[in-house]
Amino acid sequence: SQQGEEDPQALSIQEGENATMNCSYKTSINNLQWYRQNSGRGLVHLILIRSNEREKHSGRLRVTLDTSKKSSSLLITASRAADTASYFCATGNFGNEKLTFGTGTRLTIIP
Amino acid sequence: DVKVTQSSRYLVKRTGEKVFLECVQDMDHENMFWYRQDPGLGLRLIYFSYDVKMKEKGDIPEGYSVSREKKERFSLILESASTNQTSMYLCASNLRAGGPGNEQFFGPGTRLTVL
Repeated sequence: SQQGEEDPQALSIQEGENATMNCSYKTSINNLQWYRQNSGRGLVHLILIRSNEREKHSGRLRVTLDTSKKSSSLLITASRAADTASYFCATGNFGNEKLTFGTGTRLTIIP
Repeated sequence: DVKVTQSSRYLVKRTGEKVFLECVQDMDHENMFWYRQDPGLGLRLIYFSYDVKMKEKGDIPEGYSVSREKKERFSLILESASTNQTSMYLCASNLRAGGPGNEQFFGPGTRLTVL
C-alpha cells in the first residue's frame, strides 16, 4: 500500500485562488517532500520539511506537517495557469535511502 | 544545475525483446533510482543503487534487473519485455541520506510501450 495518500485526487480552481492539497502517511518519517510533475515529464522537487518542523515556506508555497496526525498539507497561494500539474508527496524514513511516493493530486488552474 | 538524462523519451518494443533503459546524472550523486509510474498507482520503486556495482530491490523488482558499472550511469534492463511492462519509467538520483539534500532529482522519463 502507498505510504503517502494525497487528497483530493483532482482539484480545479480559478486562477488567483489558493489551492490546498493534503497528504497522509502511515509510519514514522524523517522528512516529507512535495514534488510537481507537468504532464508527461519528470518530477521536480518543490520543498522538503523535516519531522521536527511544523511549517515551511518557499515563495508561494506553504507546507505544514503534523506528525501526531501523520499528515501534511501543501498550500499554493495566488495560483497561476503554470501551476497546472500533478503534485506528489513523498516520505523519507530513518536510516533508509528510499522515498515512498503517494498517488498524487491533479491540479488544474482555470484561466 | 543537476541534470539527469534518460536515453529515450519514447520507446516501442515487442514482447520478448530485451530492453535497456539508460540513465546518466552529472552531479556525482551516490544514489540512483528507477521507478515506474502508472495511472492511479503513483510512482513505484523498481530498484535503487547506493554505490557502483551495488543494488537493492525496490517494491516491484520482478521482471527487471539493473546495472551500475559507473557512478554516473544506472541502467534498467527488461530481460524479456511483456505487455504489462508498458509504462512511464523515471530515473532519479540524490546524495546519500543524512545530508541537507535528500531531495531526488528526476530525469524526463521514458514512455515504454510493449506490443
